[in-house]
Amino acid sequence: EVVLTQSPGTLSLSPGERATLSCRASQSLDSTYLAWYQQKPGQAPRLLIYGASSRATGIPDRFSGSGSGTDFTLTISRLEPEDFAVYYCQQYGSSPRTFGQGTKVEIK
Amino acid sequence: QVQLHESGPGLVRPSETLSLTCTVSGYSISSGYYWAWIRQPPGKGLEWIGTVLQSGTTYNNPSLKSRLTISVDTSKNQFSLKLRSVTAADTAVYFCARDPTLSWFDPWGQGTLVTVSS
Repeated sequence: EVVLTQSPGTLSLSPGERATLSCRASQSLDSTYLAWYQQKPGQAPRLLIYGASSRATGIPDRFSGSGSGTDFTLTISRLEPEDFAVYYCQQYGSSPRTFGQGTKVEIK
Repeated sequence: QVQLHESGPGLVRPSETLSLTCTVSGYSISSGYYWAWIRQPPGKGLEWIGTVLQSGTTYNNPSLKSRLTISVDTSKNQFSLKLRSVTAADTAVYFCARDPTLSWFDPWGQGTLVTVSS
C-alpha cells in the first residue's frame, strides 16, 4: 500500500499570502496519478486537482499542482478567505487508493 | 449536474451489519462510470472503501474485503454498501462519490455519520 505523507501538518498564513503544500509518496506513482481535495468543516471533500496538475471544473486558477514520481505540491498563489480549510492528496497509481493525512491551512 | 445522497441508519450495534444506500440524480448509473464509497472517522483522514461498476463488478479495499459487499441497482439509480461485523472502529462519516475512471472522486455526496455503539 502506498503511504502518502503530507507536510506541514498545519500552515498558518494570512489572506493574500502564498501557500505551498507537500505530498510525498512512499513509492513512485505511475505517471502523475495524484489528486488534491479541499475539505471544509462539516462538508464533503471537493476535487481541486487531478493528474497532479489539471484543475477540476470550476476551480480558480490560483490553485495549481505540480510534481511526479514521489513528490507533489499544491500551491495556492494568493489565499482568499474561503481557502482556509484542510487539504488532502490522494494517489490512484496503485491499489488500494490511499489518501494523505491532510494539511490544515489556518488563518494566522 | 450529478448529485449523490447517502441514506441509512445513523446507529448500528456492534457485531451487526452497517447498510447504506447512495441515490444518484442527474445521471443514469447504467450509462457508465464507477461509483465509490469512502469513509472518514471523526477528526481523522479519508479511507477508500470500495468501488462498483454498473455491471456489478466491484473493487474493494483489501483491509475491509472480507466484511464488505457493494452492489448496484440500476433500476433505482442507486448503489449500496454493506459492512458486516462492525466495531467501534467503523464509526465514521460515510461518503459516496463518482469514481470516473478508478482514479479520483468527483463529485461527492454530503456524507452520513454512522455510529457503532450498543
